[in-house]
Amino acid sequence: GESVGLHLPTLSVQEGDNSIINCAYSNSASDYFIWYKQESGKGPQFIIDIRSNMDKRQGQRVTVLLNKTVKHLSLQIAATQPGDSAVYFCAENGSNFGNEKLTFGTGTRLTIIP
Amino acid sequence: SQTIHQWPATLVQPVGSPLSLECTVEGTSNPNLYWYRQAAGRGLQLLFYSVGIGQISSEVPQNLSASRPQDRQFILSSKKLLLSDSGFYLCAWSVYRGLTYSPLHFGNGTRLTVT
Repeated sequence: GESVGLHLPTLSVQEGDNSIINCAYSNSASDYFIWYKQESGKGPQFIIDIRSNMDKRQGQRVTVLLNKTVKHLSLQIAATQPGDSAVYFCAENGSNFGNEKLTFGTGTRLTIIP
Repeated sequence: SQTIHQWPATLVQPVGSPLSLECTVEGTSNPNLYWYRQAAGRGLQLLFYSVGIGQISSEVPQNLSASRPQDRQFILSSKKLLLSDSGFYLCAWSVYRGLTYSPLHFGNGTRLTVT
């Protein structure tokens, strides 16, 4: 079956530095990708999304890059802050309409070192 | 703005006891509603989703059931809990935005421990 995976389970970054979290996907038909942030004891929080007709999308301090050729997705967080410490999930949608085919990765734990 | 409420936040139940977890959404109408389970160190597993009142789709055969008695209410139930039902249960919603659906928005989950 299709799967979504992450290259690294943990990542530690010095406060103020930039961080990059990577994600690989295997469903070449996926056309929608999402990044979520999950803090301890809470539900995942939507960060940013991107459709397959785009290569890059920027938000506030975050940038998502999509490389469809190698089926790779990344989340860049600029000028990291202690509040950025969390588990980050990527998700890909194999359906071009609903969210029923959303597949989540297992997550990368990002730790910001003060 | 839309908000989603899940309760209880934590729950400890003995094996064989019934379960009822409730989720409500405010600030939107006719949402798609979802129940996910998250095991430690693993991704989210979709259990049920609903596109309308009384309409439930099950993704994984299991000891659980779901119901949607009202437009913005989604309930996860079990008649007899198993040890393997322990986990972090998340409710989520999305709405149709004209061309496609919004991203999923999650509640803060219920930590269920079956003893």
